[in-house]
Amino acid sequence: DVKVTQSSRYLVKRTGEKVFLECVQDMDHENMFWYRQDPGLGLRLIYFSYDVKMKEKGDIPEGYSVSREKKERFSLILESASTNQTSMYLCASSRQGASPLHFGNGTRLTVT
Amino acid sequence: AQTVTQSQPEMSVQEAETVTLSCTYDTSENNYYLFWYKQPPSRQMILVIRQEAYKQQNATENRFSVNFQKAAKSFSLKISDSQLGDTAMYFCAFKSGNTGKLIFGQGTTLQVKP
Repeated sequence: DVKVTQSSRYLVKRTGEKVFLECVQDMDHENMFWYRQDPGLGLRLIYFSYDVKMKEKGDIPEGYSVSREKKERFSLILESASTNQTSMYLCASSRQGASPLHFGNGTRLTVT
Repeated sequence: AQTVTQSQPEMSVQEAETVTLSCTYDTSENNYYLFWYKQPPSRQMILVIRQEAYKQQNATENRFSVNFQKAAKSFSLKISDSQLGDTAMYFCAFKSGNTGKLIFGQGTTLQVKP
């Protein structure tokens, strides 16, 4: 079974802090994704990556950056956390084509 | 840019009845895939059903089926014989066959009533 692991389930950070959210998958998937989920807005794509060191902006990349140095790991970075980045963050991975997403359990980030 | 729209924020259905959740999308691509995901209160996302755009036949998975209208860019989900365990938020999703980018609609909260 595919496993996508997010490093933290809950995280509380202060405004202005640099925040790292880590995601690891164990099935050699090419594609990896970061979404944030907010009530009434669904899942919005922040960034995705289709290969090592490759990244593409999603629909809401502002305030975020990503890193994919190894195929199994995709990190989301908040350079200077702000209160409007308080949200649920979901990582996912998939193969190319019709392959569905496999999701991590999510990280609930609160920025105070 | 692609968009996915779910126009029904909340729906409810009686146990054992049938319900249809709507989804429309917009794209200029010809090669893409469509999905329905379910997110129960446990929060874990679960794949319900998928459809390849090049296939004309509607996908079916047990009590779940889709009505895929490619020209109208519509992809509705029908749940037959609704069960209490179907209570969840349902998300429609579009995946580009060219870039691999996958985007979601806003979600529909479905409550199945006993």
